Amino acid sequence: SQQGEEDPQALSIQEGENATMNCSYKTSINNLQWYRQNSGRGLVHLILIRSNEREKHSGRLRVTLDTSKKSSSLLITASRAADTASYFCATDANTDKLIFGTGTRLQVFP
Amino acid sequence: ETGVTQTPRHLVMGMTNKKSLKCEQHLGHNAMYWYKQSAKKPLELMFVYSLEERVENNSVPSRFSPECPNSSHLFLHLHTLQPEDSALYLCASSQDSSMNTEAFFGQGTRLTVV
Repeated sequence: SQQGEEDPQALSIQEGENATMNCSYKTSINNLQWYRQNSGRGLVHLILIRSNEREKHSGRLRVTLDTSKKSSSLLITASRAADTASYFCATDANTDKLIFGTGTRLQVFP
Repeated sequence: ETGVTQTPRHLVMGMTNKKSLKCEQHLGHNAMYWYKQSAKKPLELMFVYSLEERVENNSVPSRFSPECPNSSHLFLHLHTLQPEDSALYLCASSQDSSMNTEAFFGQGTRLTVV
């Protein structure tokens, strides 16, 4: 069954703008991960945030986690055309499986 | 380049064919995975191998048969597939199967069943 659900399903912005994507999940977790996928390619890991962390940064990426609301957000600041991709959240749902959502398709226009 | 290599990148096969997908990692990881990605669906976990033993089989039809001969290689043997099996098949590896570390994905094999 689907654990993570990203919102919005699609997002279009201009270069330089910030992009925010949200992920909601259903069960308790040990950690939540964000991945990026260019069209038809493999997934690339971006950030892992543990259940006892509230915020994490990596370059232009900022991830927040609210376990009380069972939600996470990924913020990409000062977006670039090269950020165009699909972004997925994945949770372990307290199991040994990594369960993915359907993803947010981000389009950044030059 | 993630360190996980999948071959072939593209495969077209008939429903009566037998083919195999190959995945290779030299990251020293102990866990390897097969995922299926269909259009507009979440990634579906198919199989998990930890230390060369299958630890997860997510109700995958028997026409998909995995094989893990050693910790660096993972195969997915395909036999009498259906058109709805057409999808992007992704292999991944991680340090272990605890899911407390990141997964590294290959570029995938785009499979078309005709």
